[in-house]
Amino acid sequence: GAGVSQSPSNKVTEKGKDVELRCDPISGHTALYWYRQRLGQGLEFLIYFQGNSAPDKSGLPSDRFSAERTGESVSTLTIQRTQQEDSAVYLCASSPIRGGNEKLFFGSGTQLSVL
Amino acid sequence: DQQVKQNSPSLSVQEGRISILNCDYTNSMFDYFLWYKKYPAEGPTFLISISSIKDKNEDGRFTVFLNKSAKHLSLHIVPSQPGDSAVYFCAARGTSYDKVIFGPGTSLSVIP
Repeated sequence: GAGVSQSPSNKVTEKGKDVELRCDPISGHTALYWYRQRLGQGLEFLIYFQGNSAPDKSGLPSDRFSAERTGESVSTLTIQRTQQEDSAVYLCASSPIRGGNEKLFFGSGTQLSVL
Repeated sequence: DQQVKQNSPSLSVQEGRISILNCDYTNSMFDYFLWYKKYPAEGPTFLISISSIKDKNEDGRFTVFLNKSAKHLSLHIVPSQPGDSAVYFCAARGTSYDKVIFGPGTSLSVIP
């Protein structure tokens, strides 16, 4: 596709349920990021995949959060036993990272609401 | 501990005047800086970037200035237009393969 695609665009779930968010990066982009934006807050880094390197998971807020990436394509962010404070927009971005200064391309995000 | 700071949560400017958005960072290893604009219900879009080997980069109405010794950068928008009203995020990265860290954002309102 032409851009970064995220699905679903909206997700409403009950507290305690697990959710899975999907990101399709731009083809050929080796780097993939997940960020979270809570209402009225900035972009909070969650996790970063770069090629075959071990992912940088330093931003994951708890062990309820995990993410996987298949090669250099699709990534899924899983939140187990969701809590109300997990409600946020989850944004995915990809970048070519050809060794130079490359910018990030963002998807439109998944709005997660935990009731 | 916030490595990228934008100390003004909001800014209001008259149409046609200059908008100046500020950003400070704490990590001296950062060597590449980006500005993104975000409208409600959309993903952030890239505006302009600057490498640490430069102190200024210009693209149309947008200019970014970098002061490495002060660990400070600013985005100037001249002239400001109502369509510029959005949240602006400053971001920074260390080496080419490091993660990109974003600031908390500044909400700009350009008043017609």
